[in-house]
Amino acid sequence: QVQLQESGPGLVKPSETLSLTCSVSGGSVSSGDYYWSWIRQPPGKGLEWIGYIYYSGSANYNPSLKSRVTISVDTSKNQFSLKLSSVIAADTAVYYCASLRGSYWYFDFWGRGTLVTVSS
Amino acid sequence: DIVMTQSPLSLPVTPGEPASISCRSSQSLLHSIGYNYLHWYLQKPGQSPQLLIYLVSNRASGVPDRFSGSGSGTDFTLKISTVEAEDVGIYYCMQTLQTPYTFGQGTKLEIK
Repeated sequence: QVQLQESGPGLVKPSETLSLTCSVSGGSVSSGDYYWSWIRQPPGKGLEWIGYIYYSGSANYNPSLKSRVTISVDTSKNQFSLKLSSVIAADTAVYYCASLRGSYWYFDFWGRGTLVTVSS
Repeated sequence: DIVMTQSPLSLPVTPGEPASISCRSSQSLLHSIGYNYLHWYLQKPGQSPQLLIYLVSNRASGVPDRFSGSGSGTDFTLKISTVEAEDVGIYYCMQTLQTPYTFGQGTKLEIK
């Protein structure tokens, strides 16, 4: 089964860019069956979908974050990445990567998540 | 955006008793091809969410048959026939009919 692992800095300064990578194993980001997604969860709060990308590079973002978000895919490394610019304290959250099964549109596999704190 | 509303938000349950969680959407989740794009997730303490039920009523691989889902349109229900200690956590419904995908606020199930 697909396994996902997030990696990246746990601390980012306000106004800087948050960058995370999700490494995929047990499956291929080039699979046409999946879309690759990011979801976040502020401490003690609920879940917010950030966006997804297809292996072709086609992406779809949450309008609430669209102006600051870029999701990209690297098929050679079997990874996909998240960049969130101009971060503020409210962007502090656990960031999850997840696989979105196309056609049925559910997230079937999730990474363990990584806490990113925005603080000076 | 489609707003997902769950109730109750807190659910204390005695082991062996049944439990039920309601999820309502601000618009119908029924697609023209016949699927309701409504799914349920469980986030156990300290873990990432895990898929329980997809497309209203289909149990994910490895999910015990004490979990069941039902509903259509805007009203959906997750039922646990007999709650076990390992079922504690926060249950979320989620819609993927349209972006942005949205989650309910979560229902925290705890053991009495």
